[in-house]
Amino acid sequence: GAGVSQSPSNKVTEKGKDVELRCDPISGHTALYWYRQSLGQGLEFLIYFQGNSAPDKSGLPSDRFSAERTGGSVSTLTIQRTQQEDSAVYLCASSFGGRDYEQYFGPGTRLTVT
Amino acid sequence: GEDVEQSLFLSVREGDSSVINCTYTDSSSTYLYWYKQEPGAGLQLLTYIFSNMDMKQDQRLTVLLNKKDKHLSLRIADTQTGDSAIYFCAEWNDYKLSFGAGTTVTVRA
Repeated sequence: GAGVSQSPSNKVTEKGKDVELRCDPISGHTALYWYRQSLGQGLEFLIYFQGNSAPDKSGLPSDRFSAERTGGSVSTLTIQRTQQEDSAVYLCASSFGGRDYEQYFGPGTRLTVT
Repeated sequence: GEDVEQSLFLSVREGDSSVINCTYTDSSSTYLYWYKQEPGAGLQLLTYIFSNMDMKQDQRLTVLLNKKDKHLSLRIADTQTGDSAIYFCAEWNDYKLSFGAGTTVTVRA
């Protein structure tokens, strides 16, 4: 596609439910990143994929968070047993390679946990 | 260390120049970025500079880098209402970006 796309754009869920957030990177981009933007923490790195592998998961806040990428393309970020502190905008970015310096961001998914 | 700091707010009159400042702490060679975020939107890559450069100009945007003081600035010439947004300074660390808190720029008529 022309840019990074994410779905859904907005998600409201009840505390304790699981959610899945999807990212479709720019065609041909092998590297994919998830970031989180919240009022208290600003913009923070969550996880990085090179192809289907995740060499760095260090930013995932807890073991309730997981992510996968299949076919070197679409990625899914899953949050289990959501908590109110998970409310944030989840941003996905992609780049041509892991050491490519230009990361292009999608519009984000706004997650609200009630 | 990876710590990026920037001032939180800037108000500027339409047609004037805006200058947004940022400091970073990583002492290794790196790339430094400016991203723009409009309300409800993702991050738009505006420009970036490698740390061995002093200046980069791209149309109305000028990036200045003082490597000794680890100070980065973004100048927007002839600021327009469409420039109202949050501007994030970021530092590239291997493959991930470390962001500042963002500067909210408000353009007044």
